[in-house]
Amino acid sequence: DTGVSQDPRHKITKRGQNVTFRCDPISEHNRLYWYRQTLGQGPEFLTYFQNEAQLEKSRLLSDRFSAERPKGSFSTLEIQRTEQGDSAMYLCASSSASGGLEDTQYFGPGTRLTVL
Amino acid sequence: AQSVTQPDIHITVSEGASLELRCNYSYGATPYLFWYVQSPGQGLQLLLKYFSGDTLVQGIKGFEAEFKRSQSSFNLRKPSVHWSDAAEYFCAVSRSNDYKLSFGAGTTVTVRA
Repeated sequence: DTGVSQDPRHKITKRGQNVTFRCDPISEHNRLYWYRQTLGQGPEFLTYFQNEAQLEKSRLLSDRFSAERPKGSFSTLEIQRTEQGDSAMYLCASSSASGGLEDTQYFGPGTRLTVL
Repeated sequence: AQSVTQPDIHITVSEGASLELRCNYSYGATPYLFWYVQSPGQGLQLLLKYFSGDTLVQGIKGFEAEFKRSQSSFNLRKPSVHWSDAAEYFCAVSRSNDYKLSFGAGTTVTVRA
């Protein structure tokens, strides 16, 4: 069990640029979540996948945000036309459907995005 | 909608002293409850969780938490803190039919020598 990994760990970009983050979940986990955490706040839910299906999206996920999990393994989160308000830590978590409703999420180290 | 309140933004405690972090939630039915810890610049590490059964749950690093339905609380405790316990602690809740977590704003713990 190597844990959840995220890449890159840090990203600095200029306003208006597109960025893409990757998350690799724990290998046997079929649920994958994205959260956003701004300074001084707890994480906020963005979206989640069960296998390759995106089952829920938060209202926080504007049209500039898109997430994919093409083969039910790794996931990508893309932000188009970044804005300074997108600066945050983006956290990925995974869990196993075998836990049923008693779902325990394990988090990766996060990707820190800074938009200049 | 469920919400989680952590009333204490910052707590300072002496090394070796006891620690209690408060968490209150609002949700109509029995929630699933979690405590996570986050070191600076890092992701979240699960300390403990409550789904059902015994209301006193034991976690890693010597932490425990008690679910009190009558008070809608899930407070985290440690009898004797170590300098390495300095971090930010988050309480989170999910519903039995919904997997996403709702987090409190966190409590920052500082440990003084």
